[in-house]
Amino acid sequence: QLVESGGGLVQPGGSLRLSCAASGFTFSRFVIHWVRQAPGKGLEYVSGISSDGGSTYYADSVKGRFTISRDNSRNTVDLQMGSLRTEDMALYYCARGGGDFWGQGTLVTVSS
Amino acid sequence: DIQMTQSPSAMSASVGDRVTITCRASQGISNNLGWFQQKAGKVPKRLIYAASNLQSGVPSRFSGSGSGTEFTLTISGLQPEDFATYYCLQHNNYPWTFGQGTKVEIK
Repeated sequence: QLVESGGGLVQPGGSLRLSCAASGFTFSRFVIHWVRQAPGKGLEYVSGISSDGGSTYYADSVKGRFTISRDNSRNTVDLQMGSLRTEDMALYYCARGGGDFWGQGTLVTVSS
Repeated sequence: DIQMTQSPSAMSASVGDRVTITCRASQGISNNLGWFQQKAGKVPKRLIYAASNLQSGVPSRFSGSGSGTEFTLTISGLQPEDFATYYCLQHNNYPWTFGQGTKVEIK
């Protein structure tokens, strides 16, 4: 199971930290990703982190503004989002490995 | 970044029809491609992994094929519960990239 949290309303230019909590599998063996979906739009890959946290990956649209991290002792992956823009407004999902398990998502609204 | 061009973007089909959706990659991705189904308001669900492998629990009317740059998802005998949006995802290179989606609607 994957459960996202941390979404909410933030002003443009603001920051938000999302968290993905995992249970029911050996968390430390899997790459974890963040994928987002703006209202009425398609799926967009945001970021990923290797099983040991040593490698991180970002879409060009968020590079330099978002930072992904993980804590294998707590089975969590965080996404620190900064310099938020209206175009970052979306439902943010975390997903395991090749996308075989997804969370229900957490909604980020960027508005003044 | 690898671009995934998915077609068509939308289609109308009838129950029982055979439906084919195509994804083209801007460069070779071997068989590192998955297909996902998303119903309105729901979480995406993986149907196919490694281009042609059926995810456990997914009906056998779904099949995937292709390698390199051309990939196909086929639904053989469309069922009422299959009306949804379908996405391909390449996971050969980071950042991973999705196709734009294909909305399958009832004719």
